[in-house]
Amino acid sequence: SQQGEEDPQALSIQEGENATMNCSYKTSINNLQWYRQNSGRGLVHLILIRSNEREKHSGRLRVTLDTSKKSSSLLITASRAADTASYFCALYNDYKLSFGAGTTVTVRA
Amino acid sequence: NAGVTQTPKFQVLKTGQSMTLQCAQDMNHNSMYWYRQDPGMGLRLIYYSASEGTTDKGEVPNGYNVSRLNKREFSLRLESAAPSQTSVYFCASRRVSNEKLFFGSGTQLSVL
Repeated sequence: SQQGEEDPQALSIQEGENATMNCSYKTSINNLQWYRQNSGRGLVHLILIRSNEREKHSGRLRVTLDTSKKSSSLLITASRAADTASYFCALYNDYKLSFGAGTTVTVRA
Repeated sequence: NAGVTQTPKFQVLKTGQSMTLQCAQDMNHNSMYWYRQDPGMGLRLIYYSASEGTTDKGEVPNGYNVSRLNKREFSLRLESAAPSQTSVYFCASRRVSNEKLFFGSGTQLSVL
């Protein structure tokens, strides 16, 4: 399987704090993507980082990729209650995306 | 612009019954996918269609069949439902030139 593994499985933070979650994988990848899923909804794409990139930003999101360590991290800065969701990393190769089990983030008011 | 539409949203089946989950996208995307999501296991790819006229097995294809009816529609069929197929099913699509997936809102299926 070429799924990524997210760590931690769950994370609880105070509003305004930063949230960091990690994704480790074992195979080579074309790109790595992060998705968000609110309870009972479909997944929404957040950000894509290619294998030749080291860091990308999108609003309050910062993603890093270390292909030598086969790991990625997603940082959400200044978290809000609306950031409460599950976050998944997904590995892209050969037309397919493989998803990890996700990190559940709870932002407390 | 509805994006990816899945029907039905909820379904309860008895063991051995058959049914088809429908998926349609209005974004002129070439590739379409079916995933299942089970608690603690993330999403697992069942089947995908890289382009109209082609379908390929994913990670967990057993017990399922698919039809790429046209560029817009990609259906998933359970011929003889089993309790192990109780899950939430998601359809997704993407353009050839972009690896980002767009997801439907899911079908919650219970097999008793």
